[in-house]
Amino acid sequence: TQLLEQSPQFLSIQEGENLTVYCNSSSVFSSLQWYRQEPGEGPVLLVTVVTGGEVKKLKRLTFQFGDARKDSSLHITAAQTGDTGLYLCAGPLMGYSTLTFGKGTMLLVSP
Amino acid sequence: DAGVIQSPRHEVTEMGQEVTLRCKPISGHNSLFWYRQTMMRGLELLIYFNNNVPIDDSGMPEDRFSAKMPNASFSTLKIQPSEPRDSAVYFCASSGHDTDTQYFGPGTRLTVL
Repeated sequence: TQLLEQSPQFLSIQEGENLTVYCNSSSVFSSLQWYRQEPGEGPVLLVTVVTGGEVKKLKRLTFQFGDARKDSSLHITAAQTGDTGLYLCAGPLMGYSTLTFGKGTMLLVSP
Repeated sequence: DAGVIQSPRHEVTEMGQEVTLRCKPISGHNSLFWYRQTMMRGLELLIYFNNNVPIDDSGMPEDRFSAKMPNASFSTLKIQPSEPRDSAVYFCASSGHDTDTQYFGPGTRLTVL
């Protein structure tokens, strides 16, 4: 059983469209991180959300941490081909220092 | 600044052979992590070191896997003997003091035939 469930598993859209991907858990996390991984490379940290209800914006990307610290979402506005990649959420369970990762959402943005 | 360096980038070996993966963390970082990524299981933590000391190796699949960190600038992950089900991409990551941010290397793609 995955502690962090990500949905959808795969998303294929056209450039310019908006999208939202989700990261859900039945467990509480002290913080959640979002990473993007491109083919042949390691994951790269995009953002860390710490406070329940927190919203962070990174250009066209908006990240939200659920009030109960059990879920998070990533919204991309006007997707570009450069947004293509595997989006991973990860977080330390309360009381732990290591990260638990979701399986990721594979996003393909076509021109 | 150089990021996390891993070698080799690709490794193809036959079942039963010993495989050694290498990692050089970012200079000054005191924590080092080894992960394995597969389609079925995603990214899984195998072991992590803090100040060169193994802290949590509960993710190491079995005795065939071992990891060492002889100094702050080098770590190895060894599989002996290797099996086809070990085929995966193995990542090393490091992080500095008082931060949750992990910096990943480019990974080693291991294929065991």
